[in-house]
Amino acid sequence: DAGITQSPRYKITETGRQVTLMCHQTWSHSYMFWYRQDLGHGLRLIYYSAAADITDKGEVPDGYVVSRSKTENFPLTLESATRSQTSVYFCATRGAGELFFGEGSRLTVL
Amino acid sequence: AQRVTQPEKLLSVFKGAPVELKCNYSYSGSPELFWYVQYSRQRLQLLLRHISRESIKGFTADLNKGETSFHLKKPFAQEEDSAMYYCALSGHRTGANNLFFGTGTRLTVIP
Repeated sequence: DAGITQSPRYKITETGRQVTLMCHQTWSHSYMFWYRQDLGHGLRLIYYSAAADITDKGEVPDGYVVSRSKTENFPLTLESATRSQTSVYFCATRGAGELFFGEGSRLTVL
Repeated sequence: AQRVTQPEKLLSVFKGAPVELKCNYSYSGSPELFWYVQYSRQRLQLLLRHISRESIKGFTADLNKGETSFHLKKPFAQEEDSAMYYCALSGHRTGANNLFFGTGTRLTVIP
């Protein structure tokens, strides 16, 4: 009962390529989030979603696109990856006032 | 704008010594404060939140509105406390369901 799963866990890509990070939850939580984790910056919110078909920008949305056609899935797409997007990406849901995180996706852009 | 400041990127203490991880915040209003922890090879998880006033794994944190602080404390550190700790804030201005995180403090407990 993983609850929230991310894939892939590790990804290496090249500048300019499109990359999609997947996030799936089994709880039917309304809110889902994407954060990136970088040394010196901590966790920064990229995008979030309040429900299916409702998404909104966070602190650092530039260069990213999200969608939420189903409650359980919240994919994050880098349309044209840049080196500055090398990071660890965390998906999260919120339930009972608490955030539940996935295991993270480590993305390297060469 | 909201801000969460964790002044120490790295903190090392000896086993059995007291530990305090500092967190200061800036927010106009009444925020909700949290501590999240990430142990090696594990997911980020909630450690405690100020409204519950609990002690989790021996850790406590008191919200001091006068000093706008939410420091995390433990009287006797254990090796298993070594982890990355994030202070986080939630409130009306962040979006009711969004958390705004500090930059984190990596705690190392020396045996």
